[in-house]
Formats: sequence, structure tokens, C-alpha cells
Amino acid sequence: GAGVSQSPSNKVTEKGKDVELRCDPISGHTALYWYRQSLGQGLEFLIYFQGNSAPDKSGLPSDRFSAERTGGSVSTLTIQRTQQEDSAVYLCASSKRGSNEQFFGPGTRLTVL
Amino acid sequence: GIQVEQSPPDLILQEGANSTLRCNFSDSVNNLQWFHQNPWGQLINLFYIPSGTKQNGRLSATTVATERYSLLYISSSQTTDSGVYFCAVPTQGGSEKLVFGKGTKLTVNP
Repeated sequence: GAGVSQSPSNKVTEKGKDVELRCDPISGHTALYWYRQSLGQGLEFLIYFQGNSAPDKSGLPSDRFSAERTGGSVSTLTIQRTQQEDSAVYLCASSKRGSNEQFFGPGTRLTVL
Repeated sequence: GIQVEQSPPDLILQEGANSTLRCNFSDSVNNLQWFHQNPWGQLINLFYIPSGTKQNGRLSATTVATERYSLLYISSSQTTDSGVYFCAVPTQGGSEKLVFGKGTKLTVNP
């Protein structure tokens, strides 16, 4: 079966622009996570969705970051008014109900000029 | 929150050599994952190992949960083993988001 997919694979944007990153989890997985990997900070959690429960947004670094998950499947991470420090690889992961083993997508490399 | 430390940070081997990577964590956990990040950035699942020992080909892992550490063994290393190896543990309760170590960068030379 297909793994986690993310798009775009690369995104270059200008400071101040908004960007949207997409994640398609593994079919049947109910939990979805967003992480960020940057040179100075390593891999850090951003946000978690589980079914219809309220998301855990505790890792979002500022109110410029938001995410939604429609129909319990596809998720979109939106960064408004991008800053250079937002440059990083954004990784999405999913897991199935009853297991916390997470499977990762290939990531979106975001570069803010 | 829980802390995860990996050692060594860097490791250079000749092809064919064996190695051991270590992961220490600061609190009890109900699972632990080892990943290999390849040169293209993809995180590949290696082991999901809350306790005990698992083997997959040339790789094996052991987690001693009571002593809060896990070991990843790579035998007869190959150049394709190069990359960064991460261990990660979930926070307890709630989202069980993963907390990652800083990784071990492995370089296997031909």
C-alpha cells in the first residue's frame, strides 16, 4: 500500500507570503502528526490530529501557523506571513488507532528568501 | 518533558565493520522507535521496540526499559547504511507525540 505522501516536495517563497503544505496519511490511519526539522532545532513536534478529537496544537511556534484536517484524512499546514526562520523540512506522520508507531512522509523542504 | 540523548553524534566506519549506537531516555516509556534518515531526508522505520530484542537482517535493536536505554547494532556495515540514525520516544498520555534525539550521523566508507 501507499505510504504517507506530501506535497509539494520543495517550496521556495518570499518573506511575507503565505504557504500551504499538504499531507496524505496512510489509508486507514486515524492519527496524523506534523513535525519540523531544522538545522538548529532538530526534529520537533508541531501539531497532532486524532479522529474527531480536538487537535493538540501545543507545538505550533506562533499564531502564523495553523493546520486543518478535512474528513479525517488529508491535512493542510498553513504558514502565514512567512519568515526566514520558517525555512525547514516539514514532515508529516500517521499512525493507526491502537498503535503509536508513526510512519513518515518524504517531507516538504520550505525555503523562505 | 522527557529527554532523549544519542551517542555517539558522529561515527565513521569502513565497510564491513560493526557498530553500536546508543539511545538514553530520561523517563519510562511505552515504546521506542529507531529511524534511518537517508540522504534524501526520508525517515525510514527500522524498529518499533518498547522492550526486548528484535532483528532485521544485519540490524538489531535492544531496549532495556527498566534502565532507560536502547541500542542499535549494525553488523557488516555497507555504504548504503550511511545517513543519520534517530531514536524517538512518545510523550505519555494525550497525543503521544514523538520526542527525538539529535541523531547519530553514520558514514560508511568503501
